[in-house]
Amino acid sequence: GGIITQTPKFLIGQEGQKLTLKCQQNFNHDTMYWYRQDSGKGLRLIYYSITENDLQKGDLSEGYDASREKKSSFSLTVTSAQKNEMAVFLCASSIDRFSGNTLYFGEGSRLIVV
Amino acid sequence: QQKVQQSPESLIVPEGGMASLNCTSSDRNVDYFWWYRQHSGKSPKMLMSIFSNGEKEEGRFTVHLNKASLHTSLHIRDSQPSDSALYLCAADTNTGKLTFGDGTVLTVKP
Repeated sequence: GGIITQTPKFLIGQEGQKLTLKCQQNFNHDTMYWYRQDSGKGLRLIYYSITENDLQKGDLSEGYDASREKKSSFSLTVTSAQKNEMAVFLCASSIDRFSGNTLYFGEGSRLIVV
Repeated sequence: QQKVQQSPESLIVPEGGMASLNCTSSDRNVDYFWWYRQHSGKSPKMLMSIFSNGEKEEGRFTVHLNKASLHTSLHIRDSQPSDSALYLCAADTNTGKLTFGDGTVLTVKP
């Protein structure tokens, strides 16, 4: 089996600061995702990447940048952290972009803005 | 923008009872539905999926799909306290974009 590793587990930053979350997977999966989960709520798609060097905007991409320079890694940057975006950010991967492939999630990174 | 609507927002059932959760998509291109379960403080894990009309059963869990109305439901019989979790429905359009609903919080009371 494989694993998805998200770093850091907690990211503390100041309002207006640029902050980056990292995600690594060793499944050798093509497709990777970043979701945001506000407390007790569902998942909102920020960015996804069908394959290496591909980037697709999700429904919540404004205020975020993403980068997929290697197949195994996908990073997410909060361009200017705001207090109302304190949430858990979940990275996930699947074999490819086609229907029927299970998403595997990392343990999440919690963003705290002070 | 595709929407995935889940109901109810929260549900309390007694231990041993039946829990029924609903999910509807607004996107006619959806060809697969997923149910994920997320225990408190943990990441979501895939529970069941369905793509053809009808019903699919795995142990205590049954999923129904009506493709014409883009409605799926998850039924948990003989509910256990360990089933208490956030249940997330997701719609898949074969493009790589997987859209989730806001979830149903299930509490099973001993």
